Amino acid sequence: GQSLEQPSEVTAVEGAIVQINCTYQTSGFYGLSWYQQHDGGAPTFLSYNGLDGLEETGRFSSFLSRSDSYGYLLLQELQMKDSASYFCAVLSGSARQLTFGSGTQLTVLP
Amino acid sequence: EPEVTQTPSHQVTQMGQEVILRCVPISNHLYFYWYRQILGQKVEFLVSFYNNEISEKSEIFDDQFSVERPDGSNFTLKIRSTKLEDSAMYFCASKVLGSTGELFFGEGSRLTVL
Repeated sequence: GQSLEQPSEVTAVEGAIVQINCTYQTSGFYGLSWYQQHDGGAPTFLSYNGLDGLEETGRFSSFLSRSDSYGYLLLQELQMKDSASYFCAVLSGSARQLTFGSGTQLTVLP
Repeated sequence: EPEVTQTPSHQVTQMGQEVILRCVPISNHLYFYWYRQILGQKVEFLVSFYNNEISEKSEIFDDQFSVERPDGSNFTLKIRSTKLEDSAMYFCASKVLGSTGELFFGEGSRLTVL
């Protein structure tokens, strides 16, 4: 089976930096993705790590360590609009499907 | 910008009724998926579809569920006899390559079973 663990809630203030960790156990692992979801709307792709290391996209960065089965999403210069749920998801299996974690609710305070 | 479209946005049905949820994936995408999300919970994988057949399905996707790609554009999820616990948001998603972790999601169809 597959399992992913991420914190259920994180709170930070505007302008701060926050890191959301994700640990996983899976077979047939290809990579780790991160998605953002506002108020139950469509999950929106943020980043994908197929290889170890850091991927940077604007204010968001994502890191993967395959040997540690661990990754994180780093959000810098937090804005109020970043308040949302963030899901890590492993890409695995013959069908290359994504299996999502339970999500981290990020609240950004003024 | 191309997008995945889903209809209906909300459907209310009586327990035991059949429901068909429709999706139009992005036109050049080859991999299609259905996910569901019960209110306040995580996004759960239901089924993947590639090359006109199911490539993988989860334990949730039992005999009550079926998928079809009846033509070159539509991708449907049918629930034959709905149960109360089928109430959820159902998301269709697609991607162009198998190797990418970038999935494009539709806005979802909210199903309420009474």
